[in-house]
Amino acid sequence: LAKTTQPISMDSYEGQEVNITCSHNNIATNDYITWYQQFPSQGPRFIIQGYKTKVTNEVASLFIPADRKSSTLSLPRVSLSDTAVYYCLVGPTYGGSQGNLIFGKGTKLSVKP
Amino acid sequence: EAGVAQSPRYKIIEKRQSVAFWCNPISGHATLYWYQQILGQGPKLLIQFQNNGVVDDSQLPKDRFSAERLKGVDSTLKIQPAKLEDSAVYLCASSDRDNEQFFGPGTRLTVL
Repeated sequence: LAKTTQPISMDSYEGQEVNITCSHNNIATNDYITWYQQFPSQGPRFIIQGYKTKVTNEVASLFIPADRKSSTLSLPRVSLSDTAVYYCLVGPTYGGSQGNLIFGKGTKLSVKP
Repeated sequence: EAGVAQSPRYKIIEKRQSVAFWCNPISGHATLYWYQQILGQGPKLLIQFQNNGVVDDSQLPKDRFSAERLKGVDSTLKIQPAKLEDSAVYLCASSDRDNEQFFGPGTRLTVL
């Protein structure tokens, strides 16, 4: 099982870049890395997914080193509305074997004015 | 595009009672997931369906929890009988590709 480890919480200020790192030492060859965002009283929302190197979309970037044992979610110029819990999820994209979909405890990001 | 629908949004029951939750996934999504999220923790996968077949139910407490997905569309999760520790938010998600899941608003269950 590819478990993940993230910081429990992080603080930032509006306009700053925030980097959240996730450790996944037991990542398997066919595992992808996916990040979700969750606001209070809502279900998680997909942010970004990657396999290796760097992936960028309109809201975030994902950096994955060559050994894939960690990944970093980068949020450019955060705003107050980015205050949420961020989860790192590791698993296969076309999985089906037991116990592959595991959310960790997440990182609670607090953005201050 | 309509999102994942869940009902009810809130439910309060006494311990040892039964309860059922309903989920309607996004149209065309073959994979459906039920998660349990206890306050302050990340979602825990209870069961994953691919169409109407079970892919993963390794963390489903089968002595009291059951789930079905008839005809590969809607799904129902049942708890019988409920315990105090079942108090949580029950999230349903669907996807057309694993790991890019769309979540519903959840059902908040309180067991007294």
